[in-house]
Amino acid sequence: SQELEQSPQSLIVQEGKNLTINCTSSKTLYGLYWYKQKYGEGLIFLMMLQKGGEEKSHEKITAKLDEKKQQSSLHITASQPSHAGIYLCGADGAYGQNFVFGPGTRLSVLP
Amino acid sequence: DSGVTQTPKHLITATGQRVTLRCSPRSGDLSVYWYQQSLDQGLQFLIQYYNGEERAKGNILERFSAQQFPDLHSELNLSSLELGDSALYFCASSVATLGRHTNYGYTFGSGTRLTVV
Repeated sequence: SQELEQSPQSLIVQEGKNLTINCTSSKTLYGLYWYKQKYGEGLIFLMMLQKGGEEKSHEKITAKLDEKKQQSSLHITASQPSHAGIYLCGADGAYGQNFVFGPGTRLSVLP
Repeated sequence: DSGVTQTPKHLITATGQRVTLRCSPRSGDLSVYWYQQSLDQGLQFLIQYYNGEERAKGNILERFSAQQFPDLHSELNLSSLELGDSALYFCASSVATLGRHTNYGYTFGSGTRLTVV
């Protein structure tokens, strides 16, 4: 079955700093999704990437998909305390396989 | 408000008991997914229903069962509860068929926090 790894596991940054979170798949990616979860709450859909080289932005968050490397990166520019939370990547497996999530990256932004 | 409603928000129960978690999907969504999130296991897919029928099964224990009713709301039944079943249980919905994600992702509810004592 497909597995997703995320790095780093946790991240503490000063407000205003840029940061990058990576997600690597063990198998071919058919669609890569990024979610944000505030502690103890539900997941909020951020964006979905489907094609190699695709890049999408949502406010100060940009995500890219490297299909060949089976990898996606999430970049936050000028981080703010509101960006704090857990970022999870998720992916469709091949047809018929269950959707899976990565273990998450816990982000703290210090004011 | 995401449009996906889960009740109750919190549940404390004793080992060996049975509980039912309820989920109302976002209007128009036919698929309902159940996930379990615990500190050591992360977010684990349990089961998916589409328009009343089971479509995909993940790491769901035999003590757990689910169903989706004609009005599309879903219930997750957890029985013979153990301490290790303590977790956040999320429901998500989507318009997707065939278990595939959509361009818009799943919409998640705010979860039910189950504590087994």
